[in-house]
Amino acid sequence: DAKTTQPPSMDCAEGRAANLPCNHSTISGNEYVYWYRQIHSQGPQYIIHGLKNNETNEMASLIITEDRKSSTLILPHATLRDTAVYYCIVRAGMNRDDKIIFGKGTRLHILP
Amino acid sequence: GAVVSQHPSRVICKSGTSVKIECRSLDFQATTMFWYRQFPKQSLMLMATSNEGSKATYEQGVEKDKFLINHASLTLSTLTVTSAHPEDSSFYICSASPTGGEQYFGPGTRLTVT
Repeated sequence: DAKTTQPPSMDCAEGRAANLPCNHSTISGNEYVYWYRQIHSQGPQYIIHGLKNNETNEMASLIITEDRKSSTLILPHATLRDTAVYYCIVRAGMNRDDKIIFGKGTRLHILP
Repeated sequence: GAVVSQHPSRVICKSGTSVKIECRSLDFQATTMFWYRQFPKQSLMLMATSNEGSKATYEQGVEKDKFLINHASLTLSTLTVTSAHPEDSSFYICSASPTGGEQYFGPGTRLTVT
């Protein structure tokens, strides 16, 4: 799987939009961008994924650049409960057997 | 979304003993499950891929004789840490996927070896 680069930490004020960047400059054509988050002492939680189009669900929006070399996860109205480590992952295809390799992620602090 | 459970959530065992951790998919069947380990302030590290009805596939550097994995049914995989030592103390997490691509993770099991 392609590697990703994320800032180690970010702060965001409560109620504001949190924009988490991810670089994946070596992504190949059949690889998807996935985002997971891990709240302290819990298992990771799936957030969203996309191939090349922007995606939105009830949790977040995913913006992927046209060249697919980077993406941004947007939490539109951050709350204190969004404080977590966010992982950007690139995976080939949709095969359920594809393992997930986690990088270091971005530690997001939501400030009251 | 799909639910994955783990049992126990916390376990303390003495050095030299073995401990078994269960991972269950509650509302779906999973032919493949994954086991991860996470040390404090570090990211998740994939240990092995658990395949129903066949042997597990271990990542490089993970001792298969120490971390025994059994995937006896489509809803249950177990990880047994044999002859546990204090350095095995960690947060163990499993995951499974009901459909292609979206993996769901269990809540984790915190193992402390004294």
